Amino acid sequence: AQSVAQPEDQVNVAEGNPLTVKCTYSVSGNPYLFWYVQYPNRGLQFLLKYITGDNLVKGSYGFEAEFNKSQTSFHLKKPSALVSDSALYFCAVRDRTGGGNKLTFGTGTQLKVEL
Amino acid sequence: DAGVIQSPRHEVTEMGQEVTLRCKPISGHDYLFWYRQTMMRGLELLIYFNNNVPIDDSGMPEDRFSAKMPNASFSTLKIQPSEPRDSAVYFCASSLAFSPTGDQPQHFGDGTRLSIL
Repeated sequence: AQSVAQPEDQVNVAEGNPLTVKCTYSVSGNPYLFWYVQYPNRGLQFLLKYITGDNLVKGSYGFEAEFNKSQTSFHLKKPSALVSDSALYFCAVRDRTGGGNKLTFGTGTQLKVEL
Repeated sequence: DAGVIQSPRHEVTEMGQEVTLRCKPISGHDYLFWYRQTMMRGLELLIYFNNNVPIDDSGMPEDRFSAKMPNASFSTLKIQPSEPRDSAVYFCASSLAFSPTGDQPQHFGDGTRLSIL
């Protein structure tokens, strides 16, 4: 079975400060990991993915995520937050072995960036 | 490139009525997914297709729900009869085939906001 947890329903950060949105996962084998962002009244948009290789993955809009196998985490980060980054962020996982071809999404973390 | 197109964007109907949601995936994509999003349950995968064939419908909540993909450019999700608890935002997503080098991201439509009165 595959699962993903986003322990924070909401994260508040001041514009210009670094942000972190947390994600931990559970799979039987090796994971494919994704971050998506959702703006109000819109569908989810792909931000970045981890497949293999370098543990630090860079994505769209200055976001990056760090894969940590020992901690089974894939936290989303950005060095300097913008008000326009305010949105709902989803982490997703697929087990490479035995996970079928479907993603399991977390419950989402609402990011609020304030002036 | 046009993204995933869903229609209608909003649907309000009365309990017991048939509801049909439509999706046009991105041309050339091999996979199509239907999701439901609610505050209580988050984002749930209902069913997905590969090359127009349903692969996993284990997320379909009841027999009242059915989905079809008659060709590579069109899919429908039907609810008959509809109930108030079906009220949610329904998303369609599509992706390219999974490759040896890793998964392809899913591309989501903007959803259909369904309200059953």
